[in-house]
Formats: sequence, C-alpha cells, structure tokens
Amino acid sequence: QKEVEQNSGPLSVPEGAIASLNCTYSDRGSQSFFWYRQYSGKSPELIMSIYSNGDKEDGRFTAQLNKASQYVSLLIRDSQPSDSATYLCAVTTSGTYKYIFGTGTRLKVLA
Amino acid sequence: GAGVSQSPSNKVTEKGKDVELRCDPISGHTALYWYRQSLGQGLEFLIYFQGNSAPDKSGLPSDRFSAERTGGSVSTLTIQRTQQEDSAVYLCASSRTTTGELFFGEGSRLTVL
Repeated sequence: QKEVEQNSGPLSVPEGAIASLNCTYSDRGSQSFFWYRQYSGKSPELIMSIYSNGDKEDGRFTAQLNKASQYVSLLIRDSQPSDSATYLCAVTTSGTYKYIFGTGTRLKVLA
Repeated sequence: GAGVSQSPSNKVTEKGKDVELRCDPISGHTALYWYRQSLGQGLEFLIYFQGNSAPDKSGLPSDRFSAERTGGSVSTLTIQRTQQEDSAVYLCASSRTTTGELFFGEGSRLTVL
C-alpha cells in the first residue's frame, strides 16, 4: 500500500515566523512531489512542485526533497494569517497515473 | 477560462434522484481525475481518464456511479438514485501528463436530502 503521511496538526506559528510542514512517503519509486493549499470550503490549489533532490524556492515558499530519506517538506517564510489553511502533500510514481495524497496538515498562523 | 471548470457549483437533490456533474478540463490536458471529499475528510479517488478511456474505475463507490468523457475533453460524473451518504464535494482535476502538475476545479457540492 503506497502511502503519504502528514501530521494532521494543527501547527500553530506566530505571524512572521517560518512554518515547516513535513511529509513522508513509502514508495521509493515516487517521482513527482506536490504541495497544495486548501482553504476551508475551497478546492486544493497547487503551490509548489518538485521533482529532484534539493530545494526549490518560489517567493515565500521553499520545497525540500530528500529521496534517500523519503520525505518532502514545505517551508513558509514570514508566515501570514492568510496562510492559515490545510496543506496537502501529493506524490506520483513514474509509469503510473495515480496521485497519492496525504490527509493534510492544518496550519494556523496567529496574528 | 484557463482553469478547470465544474458545474453546477452547488446541487441540492432529493434522495433517489439522479444527478449529473460536469467537468471541463484545462485545454490540452489529457489526464482527468474525479475525487470526492466529504466534510473534514481527505481526497477520495473515484476515476481516472486518459483521453476518452477510463483505465481505472476502481474508486467508484458503487454501480450507481458512472462517468464518461467525450472528445478527450468534457467529462460527466453521474450518480443514480442518490443516497444521503453521497453528499460531498466532487472535485475534478486535470493534468497534461500523469505525473505532472494536477490542477483542480472549484468543485461541485452535492447535498442529498
């Protein structure tokens, strides 16, 4: 059973701090990795994709991938109350069509 | 529009009625997915289309659920004889490839009374 694990939270951070969200996956063949943000009552919104080991930065967001340790993380710098949402991690495996989603980590940024 | 379009955004129906949900993917996206999300829950995979064919229907909860895709574009998800447990948000997503970025529509919220 291919799995993606996330801590459900809530993860509470003060405004302006760095929020660190983590995700582990079980399938060593996983090739593509994604972070989605989902506000309450809304659909998931893609915020980052990462395909190779290392860091990828986009504005206040940095995705980190470590295939040897089978984890992917998302750092949010200068967290804002508007970042409060559930963050979903998703992975795919080369040669298949399935996107395996974690159950999400709820982030609360306190003003 | 540039994104995945779903309709209706909200649907309230009576138990036993049939409903049709529509998804118009991003132009050029050959892969199309349907998911279901119940309140406070994670994403439940329903069905995947590559072009017009559906290689994987394993996620459909029962034979009351069916889906089709025509012209490699628009897809409809049909739920026959709806039950209260069918109440959920039905999300459609599309991607250019099966391992590429997956983009979601706004969803169709179904309420079965």
